[in-house]
Amino acid sequence: KAGVTQTPRYLIKTRGQQVTLSCSPISGHRSVSWYQQTPGQGLQFLFEYFSETQRNKGNFPGRFSGRQFSNSRSEMNVSTLELGDSALYLCASTDRGTDTQYFGPGTRLTVL
Amino acid sequence: QKEVEQNSGPLSVPEGAIASLNCTYSDRGSQSFFWYRQYSGKSPELIMSIYSNGDKEDGRFTAQLNKASQYVSLLIRDSQPSDSATYLCAVNRNNNDMRFGAGTRLTVKP
Repeated sequence: KAGVTQTPRYLIKTRGQQVTLSCSPISGHRSVSWYQQTPGQGLQFLFEYFSETQRNKGNFPGRFSGRQFSNSRSEMNVSTLELGDSALYLCASTDRGTDTQYFGPGTRLTVL
Repeated sequence: QKEVEQNSGPLSVPEGAIASLNCTYSDRGSQSFFWYRQYSGKSPELIMSIYSNGDKEDGRFTAQLNKASQYVSLLIRDSQPSDSATYLCAVNRNNNDMRFGAGTRLTVKP
C-alpha cells in the first residue's frame, strides 16, 4: 500500500496570508489526524476527521480549520498567518483495527 | 500534570549498550500505547505498539507496559549509532484521541 502523502512539502508565506495543506491517507483508512510540530512545543494535536466529520479537536484558535472529503482525503487551512505558525504540519491516518497512526512526510511551513 | 510525560534527555549511551526510555501517562482509561522514532527533519515512524500488560519484543526493541502504574517503556538492545533519534511515546486515550509525549532524544556514541 502507498503511505500517507502530503502536499506541498514546503511552503513559504507572509504574515496575513492563508494556506491550505492537503493529506491523502493510506488506502482504506478513514480517519485523518493533523498535528503541528515545533521545536519548542513538540507534537501538538490540531484535529481529527473521520467519515467527513470532525471527531476530535485540539486547543488551537479558529484560524486553523480542516475538512475531509468523501474519498477520505483531508485538507487543513490556516488563515491570517502569524510568524508563530511556522512549523512542520503532520498528517496521520489511522488503522482502526490496531488504533495505529501512520504519518505522512509533513509540510514545512515558513511564515515570513 | 501533562497527559504523557517523558524525560526529554538527551540520553547518551555507547554503541552496543541498552538504551532505556520511559513514559508515564495520566488517563487510566487509555488502551493503546505506541513508540515512534523521529529523525531530525523527518516525520515520526512507528516502532512498536503494545496493548496489554507485560513485555513485547520485536528484534532489538522491547516495549513494556504496566497499566496499574500507568507506565510504558522502550528498551533498545545493542544500540547502534543509527538509533540516534528522538523517541516519542504516544497514548491512544479513546476513539483515536492520541496524545504524544515531548520525546526523548537519544544519542548512541560509536
